Amino acid sequence: QVQLVQSGAEVKKPGASVVVSCKASGYTFANFAISWVRQAPGQGLEWVGWISTYNGKTDYAQKLQGRVTMTTDTSTTTAYMELRSLTSDDTAVYFCARNYGSHSWFDPWGQGTLVTVSS
Amino acid sequence: DIQMTQSPSSLSASVGDRVTITCRASQTVRGYLNWYQQKPGEAPKVLIYATSSLQTGVPSRFSGNGSGTDFTLTISSLQPEDFATYYCQQSYRTPLVTFGQGTKVEIK
Repeated sequence: QVQLVQSGAEVKKPGASVVVSCKASGYTFANFAISWVRQAPGQGLEWVGWISTYNGKTDYAQKLQGRVTMTTDTSTTTAYMELRSLTSDDTAVYFCARNYGSHSWFDPWGQGTLVTVSS
Repeated sequence: DIQMTQSPSSLSASVGDRVTITCRASQTVRGYLNWYQQKPGEAPKVLIYATSSLQTGVPSRFSGNGSGTDFTLTISSLQPEDFATYYCQQSYRTPLVTFGQGTKVEIK
């Protein structure tokens, strides 16, 4: 079945970086882009960015430009999201999701990775 | 960016009730409006895509409607497993998507 499995929870200090991975299976990886969405504790969903698994093109939320980098490894069908210069405002559950359709909806989603930024 | 506003932010309803959630976009999103359900501790799950298309496996009591800037999600007869938070999402500006703030459906 189509599945996205993310890496485990992370605890980081302010100023550090974090890398979250998202392993895809059950479909042709290069045919569907991957988006990343985050959810701060008790809050709603915030789009972080998008990467084409076909050509590596990316698009990031303006507020995170310069701190976020998304990459893919097609040999392992894995997408990665790196976030640098972490602050407590970055504490959130980070989800990856497959973009489906020409004007994409997200299906399925990964299980989420909690990133906690604390001194 | 296109801003998405949902109403209400929360509601209390009983099993069997008809529930309607509204989503308004700050500018037209044409028909590129999707709805997700999220239960505590879980990832969101798509219910409706492109305004009114029911995702495979989603019960027919869920339906979507609307056009342009105004959209609705309706649950025709609320079931115990439907108590959750619902989000609308515009994908007109894919890949730059935006979500509504969410509507929490609670048990009365």
